[in-house]
Amino acid sequence: EIVLTQSPATLSLSPGERATLSCRASQNIHSYLAWYQQRPGQAPRLLIYDALNRATGIPARFSGSGSGTDFTLTISSLEPEDFAIYYCQQRGDWPLTFGPGTKVDI
Amino acid sequence: QVQVGESGGGVVQPGKSLRLSCAASGFTFSRSGMHWVRQAPGKGLEWVAVISSDGRRKFYADSVKGRFSISRDDARNTLYLQMNSLRAEDTAVYHCVKDRGAEAYGMDVWGQGTTVTVSS
Repeated sequence: EIVLTQSPATLSLSPGERATLSCRASQNIHSYLAWYQQRPGQAPRLLIYDALNRATGIPARFSGSGSGTDFTLTISSLEPEDFAIYYCQQRGDWPLTFGPGTKVDI
Repeated sequence: QVQVGESGGGVVQPGKSLRLSCAASGFTFSRSGMHWVRQAPGKGLEWVAVISSDGRRKFYADSVKGRFSISRDDARNTLYLQMNSLRAEDTAVYHCVKDRGAEAYGMDVWGQGTTVTVSS
């Protein structure tokens, strides 16, 4: 199975700062990567699909990039509601897999 | 409003069975791939299974293959997960998730989940 590694495990930042989250796949997954946000006590929410496409209703401060094995989620200027856990997920091969998550905290 | 809602969770003994249901509304259910994703207490997300929009293709995580079965009833707009031979490590919140396409293109609508606890 394809293993996703996310770094860092925790990112401590302040509102207004830029967040850069990394996801690395154990093999080439082309652009078949999605990003999800999970706030405490809530279900996850799709942010980005196919590496760089924002899902419906997702603010422009969220952007995705990368292809092959290395991917990045960037939050250009953190809002208070952005402090959450972020997961990447690949659909390049079965079974689908998630990364372990990056916690963005204050 | 596009939404999905799970039911059927509970406490069950190891080795027993349980069936989860997911009611969908606000979208054309028969055109959407549907997933189950679980989250053990304090842990990350684990994809469990997907069924294609036409019901012909089903895929499972290795951890549940041969024990769990995903199915759908388009007439009732309902997704199911039959879980057999349950183990302690199956304890988790189980989310029903709509795909943005016909199979596995991105999980765009999540339910709040139903809790399954496997314990003697």
